[in-house]
Amino acid sequence: QKEVEQDPGPLSVPEGAIVSLNCTYSNSAFQYFMWYRQYSRKGPELLMYTYSSGNKEDGRFTAQVDKSSKYISLFIRDSQPSDSATYLCAMSNQDNYGQNFVFGPGTRLSVLP
Amino acid sequence: DAGVIQSPRHEVTEMGQEVTLRCKPISGHNSLFWYRQTMMRGLELLIYFNNNVPIDDSGMPEDRFSAKMPNASFSTLKIQPSEPRDSAVYFCASSLRAGAYNEQFFGPGTRLTVL
Repeated sequence: QKEVEQDPGPLSVPEGAIVSLNCTYSNSAFQYFMWYRQYSRKGPELLMYTYSSGNKEDGRFTAQVDKSSKYISLFIRDSQPSDSATYLCAMSNQDNYGQNFVFGPGTRLSVLP
Repeated sequence: DAGVIQSPRHEVTEMGQEVTLRCKPISGHNSLFWYRQTMMRGLELLIYFNNNVPIDDSGMPEDRFSAKMPNASFSTLKIQPSEPRDSAVYFCASSLRAGAYNEQFFGPGTRLTVL
């Protein structure tokens, strides 16, 4: 079992739809959870960062963490064609980086106009 | 700000050759990271530096890989000798400080193909 699992997609939705992207993980010690967006042939860029459990909202984006279920989600409201990208979750069990900083494989999202 | 700069953007080489990838982090950032991305393995952290000192190189796949950071504005990742399985996109990233809560800024990547 991989430490972080993510449905690779591709996920295609019409413009304006609500998108739900998810990751599951096996290491209960993870406390820092991040979502990155990666456009084709570009480097990832940080979208959202959450510490421990709970929700965090930033514009059209909402990140949720459920540590009891080892499950994190990213919701995109009113999705736009410009949201078409690969979304990577990342997590760590400590404040510093190192071998415990793990990325999911990414979900490819296409928002169709 | 120019962001993280990587060179070359593309590299095609033959098995057994030495490959050197270069990175210039964002000015003022104290932490630098090297990642490798493949379809099979996703994005993997290879090594990271804090204040030019390697902190964790446990992600470096084997002795053929080495990384240096001689000063705050330059880092290299070297593969010698290269093998076809090293083909991947290599990203460099920098952040103001170490710590999961500090945003990492990624460069555009170097797409390496080893024939």
